[in-house]
Amino acid sequence: SAVISQKPSRDICQRGTSLTIQCQVDSQVTMMFWYRQQPGQSLTLIATANQGSEATYESGFVIDKFPISRPNLTFSTLTVSNMSPEDSSIYLCSVDRNNYGYTFGSGTRLTVV
Amino acid sequence: QQPVQSPQAVILREGEDAVINCSSSKALYSVHWYRQKHGEAPVFLMILLKGGEQKGHEKISASFNEKKQQSSLYLTASQLSYSGTYFCGTEMKESTDKLIFGTGTRLQVFP
Repeated sequence: SAVISQKPSRDICQRGTSLTIQCQVDSQVTMMFWYRQQPGQSLTLIATANQGSEATYESGFVIDKFPISRPNLTFSTLTVSNMSPEDSSIYLCSVDRNNYGYTFGSGTRLTVV
Repeated sequence: QQPVQSPQAVILREGEDAVINCSSSKALYSVHWYRQKHGEAPVFLMILLKGGEQKGHEKISASFNEKKQQSSLYLTASQLSYSGTYFCGTEMKESTDKLIFGTGTRLQVFP
């Protein structure tokens, strides 16, 4: 089963700055997924990242705010740009293991002050 | 588009049973179930791929009614370790390459 290393695990950032979150998978995967989970809420899909192509963003999320890189089949980054307090949330990366469900990174708890 | 789960919250004594429902407005290709404990990432429980499929995992099982676009998770003889928030995750037939999570059900089991 895939193991995902995600970092940082938490950060406190000033509004107007940017934070880049990294996810490293221990095996090659075609697609990686980025989710946001606001306090007490469900997981919301931000975008799907394919290697070698532009990420596909869900409604309500734009590339200028959440740029994603996918340089190879084991790594992806999500940047939260020009942050505001409303961006305070947990961000999770994930991969699909087909019949074994999705595996998630441990999450990045972001607080914007 | 987000599947709706019911109930929103459940409180149980150890040994009691619970049913969590997941309902979608769109045709489903598959349904996943996950449990998330506080401060942790969601953990996969099971996947149902075919309408009418039922699966079991220890004392936790699930069913998938494709026609009704619904799934149910059954927790029997609950244990303290079952506490957490349960999410269904759905792959729609129109877009099977992503997982959309339901609204969530918070389950608390007390001694």
